[in-house]
Amino acid sequence: DTAVSQTPKYLVTQMGNDKSIKCEQNLGHDTMYWYKQDSKKFLKIMFSYNNKELIINETVPNRFSPKSPDKAHLNLHINSLELGDSAVYFCASSHWETQYFGPGTRLLVL
Amino acid sequence: EDQVTQSPEALRLQEGESSSLNCSYTVSGLRGLFWYRQDPGKGPEFLFTLYSAGEEKEKERLKATLTKKESFLHITAPKPEDSATYLCAVQATFDTDKLIFGTGTRLQVFP
Repeated sequence: DTAVSQTPKYLVTQMGNDKSIKCEQNLGHDTMYWYKQDSKKFLKIMFSYNNKELIINETVPNRFSPKSPDKAHLNLHINSLELGDSAVYFCASSHWETQYFGPGTRLLVL
Repeated sequence: EDQVTQSPEALRLQEGESSSLNCSYTVSGLRGLFWYRQDPGKGPEFLFTLYSAGEEKEKERLKATLTKKESFLHITAPKPEDSATYLCAVQATFDTDKLIFGTGTRLQVFP
C-alpha cells in the first residue's frame, strides 16, 4: 500500500550519461513535485505538475526535464550528468497543502 | 525573500529530557507552516500543519506551536525512537504550492 514510490532507489553513473528517475503515487493527488536534497540535507523544490501541467519550474538547468504521462506519474530525465548532480531526489504529491514524500533516489555521479 | 531558519542544527538529549526546536520564518504571506520528520535514508514524513498564529497541534510526545515569526516543536520526555532530523517548511500564500524548507534540526536521544 505504498503511497509515493520511486525507482530506482540508488543510481550510480558516469559523468555525461543520461538517466531517468520514475515516480508514482496511488493517493489520487492532483499535484506532484520533484525536490533535490543536497549533501547538507537542504531540500529545494525543482518542479511541480498539476494534472499533467507544469506549474513550478525553479531555476533548474535545462538538462533536467520532467515528464508527466498522467496525474499519477511524474518522471525526471537528466541529460549529460555532472558531478554536482549527485544528491538525493525526492518525489512528492499533494491534494491540498500537505505534501507527501517518496523514499528518495540516491544519485551518485562519478 | 521567503526564508526559513531552524535552530539548533543538532541537539542531543537524554531520554526523558524535554526540549524545543525552533523554526523562524520570513514569508510574504503564510499559507501554512509544516513540520516533517526525516529518518536516515528515508523521505520526509509529515507531522503537522499550522495555519495561523496561536494554533497548536499535538501528536504523542510532540507539540507544535506557531507565532507570527516562528514555530516551536516541543518534545516532551523524548525516547530514543524520536531520534531523527526534524524539518520545518513554509508555504507562501501567493507563491503556488512550493515548500520552502529550513536545513533541519538533527535530534539524538540517548537512553
